[in-house]
Amino acid sequence: QQPVQSPQAVILREGEDAVINCSSSKALYSVHWYRQKHGEAPVFLMILLKGGEQKGHEKISASFNEKKQQSSLYLTASQLSYSGTYFCGTDHNTDKLIFGTGTRLQVFP
Amino acid sequence: DAGVIQSPRHEVTEMGQEVTLRCKPISGHDYLFWYRQTMMRGLELLIYFNNNVPIDDSGMPEDRFSAKMPNASFSTLKIQPSEPRDSAVYFCASRQGWNSNQPQHFGDGTRLSIL
Repeated sequence: QQPVQSPQAVILREGEDAVINCSSSKALYSVHWYRQKHGEAPVFLMILLKGGEQKGHEKISASFNEKKQQSSLYLTASQLSYSGTYFCGTDHNTDKLIFGTGTRLQVFP
Repeated sequence: DAGVIQSPRHEVTEMGQEVTLRCKPISGHDYLFWYRQTMMRGLELLIYFNNNVPIDDSGMPEDRFSAKMPNASFSTLKIQPSEPRDSAVYFCASRQGWNSNQPQHFGDGTRLSIL
């Protein structure tokens, strides 16, 4: 039931791009993305609603493929500040989220 | 506006002791969630409340764990007796409204170590 995130870890140089995927075995109603820096709380990035809507936040955008029951997070021209662990939270038309295991992203100068 | 406030930030105690974690949600938020985060299991939902009423406690590990929300501005998570395997970071989060288009706001967490 827990969504599967891939890859588990990514290492980038500043300016490089990355894609993080989140897949669910159950029908999705929406997908929420969060970023957590080491020793801090998860911070909300964006919500993707049913309908394949693509949203953006700075140079971070995401898509939602309802048929494939998955969402992808796109990080463009990565910055040092993008380092952290990214979590997707899946909503199956209930009032709670189920969080994935996370993808650790490290950006080096 | 103040965010979600958790206390204490750190707790170190001996096995067998009672532990109480506290959370003050954002004013006006009607949902409150308690999560536990470990390296092995990630971010697990323990229990959540809607309008101070517990809705789903299926994630509570066992009877040693209990949670209450006596009013809209305060919730506690209690572990009695505590065990070393309870060591983790415990987060409280709150949200206004239904899931699909509202974010959860997390507190800074309580880092719990049971010796």
